[in-house]
Amino acid sequence: SQQGEEDPQALSIQEGENATMNCSYKTSINNLQWYRQNSGRGLVHLILIRSNEREKHSGRLRVTLDTSKKSSSLLITASRAADTASYFCATDATGNQFYFGTGTSLTVIP
Amino acid sequence: NAGVTQTPKFQVLKTGQSMTLQCAQDMNHNSMYWYRQDPGMGLRLIYYSASEGTTDKGEVPNGYNVSRLNKREFSLRLESAAPSQTSVYFCASRLQGALRTGELFFGEGSRLTVL
Repeated sequence: SQQGEEDPQALSIQEGENATMNCSYKTSINNLQWYRQNSGRGLVHLILIRSNEREKHSGRLRVTLDTSKKSSSLLITASRAADTASYFCATDATGNQFYFGTGTSLTVIP
Repeated sequence: NAGVTQTPKFQVLKTGQSMTLQCAQDMNHNSMYWYRQDPGMGLRLIYYSASEGTTDKGEVPNGYNVSRLNKREFSLRLESAAPSQTSVYFCASRLQGALRTGELFFGEGSRLTVL
């Protein structure tokens, strides 16, 4: 399988805390993307980081990429109850195919 | 704009029956994808179409066929459904170019149960 893996599988935090989830992948990539999925819905794109970038920010999101370790992390700062969702990383190695990880289920307790 | 539209949203089939999942996008995207999502497995790529007139296999193509009918539409067909194909199916599209790596836009999913 070319899938990546997210860690942890599930994460539960209090509102206002930071949430960190990690993604490991297997092959060299062009870029890595993070997506969010609310229960019963489709996935929504959050942020993209290219293979020559090490860190990227978007609002309360911070993504890092370590290509030598084939890993990425997503940090959500000052979490809100509305951030409760599943989060997936997706890797693009060929420019055509996107392979998704197994996801982290985040619960933010009000 | 509707974005990516999938039909049907729900379907129950008996083993051996056939059906087609329809997907249409109105964003003038050139690439389209079919994924399946199973608990604990994340999303797995079934087939994709990089551009109109081309289709390619993904990770789990066995038991499926696809048709890129035109730039807007990409259908997924199960010729003889099996219980192992019980899943949630997602269609996605993106705008791809030499200088652009577009994000995927997803439909809301089609929930298929094979008895």
